[in-house]
Amino acid sequence: DTAVSQTPKYLVTQMGNDKSIKCEQNLGHDTMYWYKQDSKKFLKIMFSYNNKELIINETVPNRFSPKSPDKAHLNLHINSLELGDSAVYFCASSQDSGGTDTQYFGPGTRLTVL
Amino acid sequence: AQKITQTQPGMFVQEKEAVTLDCTYDTSDQSYGLFWYKQPSSGEMIFLIYQGSYDEQNATEGRYSLNFQKARKSANLVISASQLGDSAMYFCAMREGWAGGTSYGKLTFGQGTILTVHP
Repeated sequence: DTAVSQTPKYLVTQMGNDKSIKCEQNLGHDTMYWYKQDSKKFLKIMFSYNNKELIINETVPNRFSPKSPDKAHLNLHINSLELGDSAVYFCASSQDSGGTDTQYFGPGTRLTVL
Repeated sequence: AQKITQTQPGMFVQEKEAVTLDCTYDTSDQSYGLFWYKQPSSGEMIFLIYQGSYDEQNATEGRYSLNFQKARKSANLVISASQLGDSAMYFCAMREGWAGGTSYGKLTFGQGTILTVHP
């Protein structure tokens, strides 16, 4: 059973479109995250949710909107896609947002904006 | 200022030998955690090992060990008996544990080191 899953794995779309990436974890964790990995492989956090509540919101354009319907799901919706949004997006989860809990990552979604 | 520094863009090692991947970090927190992740060419991020700032012993997980030198703020990953399947990108990351700070809960990653294992 996959612990943290993301759909789709690949997403190719045109500039200006709106798209969503879904994430689900079956680990019973309380906190979920979105990270972006750019073309140079640099990983940076975007958002985190603890029990459906937003706790980290990095400097991310407001075209990106996370939504957590329940603590097992954290989706990422992106409006008006731009070329610079092309990247790999990783979802992750951990037991809680405190201390030094290990974060487990999903397989990633490779987004290509044409 | 960069919080996590991995100075080795690429490393090569012969199969069955040991290799050390360097990582230095910067934090003013007393409570923090250090992590290593492996990213093979298939792209997933695989958790390898964790070291807490208060742990007195170096962490070990199978062939992976973490050489934690708190005073030097270094957390090097040692892979013993390298295997061809160890060829991948390796990321060092830190999670600062102080509640209330803006960095609370997030992982800050280094630039990564590409490890190539030669047969």
